[in-house]
Amino acid sequence: DAGITQSPRHKVTETGTPVTLRCHQTENHRYMYWYRQDPGHGLRLIHYSYGVKDTDKGEVSDGYSVSRSKTEDFLLTLESATSSQTSVYFCAISDGTSGRETQYFGPGTRLLVL
Amino acid sequence: AQSVSQHNHHVILSEAASLELGCNYSYGGTVNLFWYVQYPGQHLQLLLKYFSGDPLVKGIKGFEAEFIKSKFSFNLRKPSVQWSDTAEYFCAVSGNQGGKLIFGQGTELSVKP
Repeated sequence: DAGITQSPRHKVTETGTPVTLRCHQTENHRYMYWYRQDPGHGLRLIHYSYGVKDTDKGEVSDGYSVSRSKTEDFLLTLESATSSQTSVYFCAISDGTSGRETQYFGPGTRLLVL
Repeated sequence: AQSVSQHNHHVILSEAASLELGCNYSYGGTVNLFWYVQYPGQHLQLLLKYFSGDPLVKGIKGFEAEFIKSKFSFNLRKPSVQWSDTAEYFCAVSGNQGGKLIFGQGTELSVKP
């Protein structure tokens, strides 16, 4: 398995509070991604990063921000959590962007916003 | 718009039955196609992928998929399923730039022993 960890693994929070999820990799892969997984929607891309301090928006980026100050860490922040952000969040990494690379996924963070 | 559609939301099979999960995509230009699997309580892992060459692709654990360009399809098959194949299966597509994956809705497979 690729060396990807996510923290926390489970979190319960209240509407309106900020939340930060962390993805840490030991593979030295340049590219990192945040997805959310919801029933009936599969996985949808939130934000991605092509390198340190180089990030861009995905399909469902509203209400989320990201930061990448080191190759190994990619942070996802919910500025003010809402119930619609209750989901399972997966981080993924890859070593290229030709489209043919396998993305390797972390174990996920289950977030409940009350 | 780019999209991936998996027609079967939940499939229930008995052990030794044959499996075929449908996947259709809408994507302009060259496509790369993937099937990922998520076993209960685990992270997603790659089953197989296709980007060129023989349209019949073999993956891990006896799975295979066939790319039919004229039908925009990439169906997943396995001749004989096992209880351990119980999982959720995701079809995904990417283009040749950016590496971003577009996933289908997922198909939950339950195999009865």
